[in-house]
Amino acid sequence: DAGVIQSPRHEVTEMGQEVTLRCKPISGHDYLFWYRQTMMRGLELLIYFNNNVPIDDSGMPEDRFSAKMPNASFSTLKIQPSEPRDSAVYFCASSHGTDTQYFGPGTRLTVL
Amino acid sequence: AQKITQTQPGMFVQEKEAVTLDCTYDTSDQSYGLFWYKQPSSGEMIFLIYQGSYDEQNATEGRYSLNFQKARKSANLVISASQLGDSAMYFCAMTPRSNDYKLSFGAGTTVTVRA
Repeated sequence: DAGVIQSPRHEVTEMGQEVTLRCKPISGHDYLFWYRQTMMRGLELLIYFNNNVPIDDSGMPEDRFSAKMPNASFSTLKIQPSEPRDSAVYFCASSHGTDTQYFGPGTRLTVL
Repeated sequence: AQKITQTQPGMFVQEKEAVTLDCTYDTSDQSYGLFWYKQPSSGEMIFLIYQGSYDEQNATEGRYSLNFQKARKSANLVISASQLGDSAMYFCAMTPRSNDYKLSFGAGTTVTVRA
């Protein structure tokens, strides 16, 4: 079975550019989570969806970040404009209800 | 709010020996789930083991077992018969079951297995 799929795996961009990260959750999972991992702050939950509806976006750092889930098999996390402090590894995870969250391979974002 | 504490930033273990990674948590919820994830140097987050707060028996998954002491609010991971491939960062995480499913993570423990 396919796990959580994320693209791109690596992204290097310049400050001020728009960045879009993509995620395909495991089929049948009704929860989708976006996390960010940095050395300074560890793993932080940014936002999560249930049945494509955003439930809690309190972890989104600021208005430059936005996330959408147009259907059960696709979600995006967008940063516009990007800043060097946004450099991190961004993980997408999915779960079926309260069951275990399974993580994608992550997107390593570098903003120059 | 939940708080997860992993006090061991790094550990060394000899191949074939067992290692215990400490995790304590703080929550006011009665129902919650505890998880351990492994993050090797390649970066992916791999689920290892789960323990529910109402589970009476400690969880086991192959060489992984969870030493759950509810009264002490601890959920230590035991890796038996360590292998070189066990070298990685290990994260303890928790989610309340009462009203949301957000995972809160500890800072992690780096394990290095020596041959």
